[in-house]
Amino acid sequence: EDQVTQSPEALRLQEGESSSLNCSYTVSGLRGLFWYRQDPGKGPEFLFTLYSAGEEKEKERLKATLTKKESFLHITAPKPEDSATYLCAVQVGRSQGNLIFGKGTKLSVKP
Amino acid sequence: GAGVSQSPSNKVTEKGKDVELRCDPISGHTALYWYRQSLGQGLEFLIYFQGNSAPDKSGLPSDRFSAERTGGSVSTLTIQRTQQEDSAVYLCASSSSGEPGAFGSGTRLTVV
Repeated sequence: EDQVTQSPEALRLQEGESSSLNCSYTVSGLRGLFWYRQDPGKGPEFLFTLYSAGEEKEKERLKATLTKKESFLHITAPKPEDSATYLCAVQVGRSQGNLIFGKGTKLSVKP
Repeated sequence: GAGVSQSPSNKVTEKGKDVELRCDPISGHTALYWYRQSLGQGLEFLIYFQGNSAPDKSGLPSDRFSAERTGGSVSTLTIQRTQQEDSAVYLCASSSSGEPGAFGSGTRLTVV
């Protein structure tokens, strides 16, 4: 069965303390892996798409990487405004809308 | 420009009643997606529309759920004979390319 697991469930950091979030997947035929950010009461906000092992994408303090079994979202020198739930999703079939989401990692950054 | 708009933002309904949830995508976006998010669970795919192609309905949990997209724009998700397990946040997203890029803020449905 296709599965996406995110860890940790929750992460507390001090401002400036870099860390990484993990998204591991067991799927038959990965077509794409997606990272989103979700603030309370809002819909997810698209961050990155990764398609093949070795690929990396960066945006401000965030960097996403992909291997054949997992993806990491690295957060460098986080700020309180980076506090949110980060979601990982994978596309495994031909349907571009049929994504399997993980349960997310809730990140809190304290000043 | 305006983002994805969903209405109502909150809906409380009695068990057994029908409900309609509306999604106004970003103008020009050809792809439209519906997901639901239950407490403590990941987002669950429901249905995907792409242009004039037949929609991917493979995520609809039962025949009580249906969705339409009129004129390639506005979409309505209908849940008939609502049950308590239907309580969740229903999210709509639209995109001009592959992945669901722009989400609305969702409709929180509570079935009592």
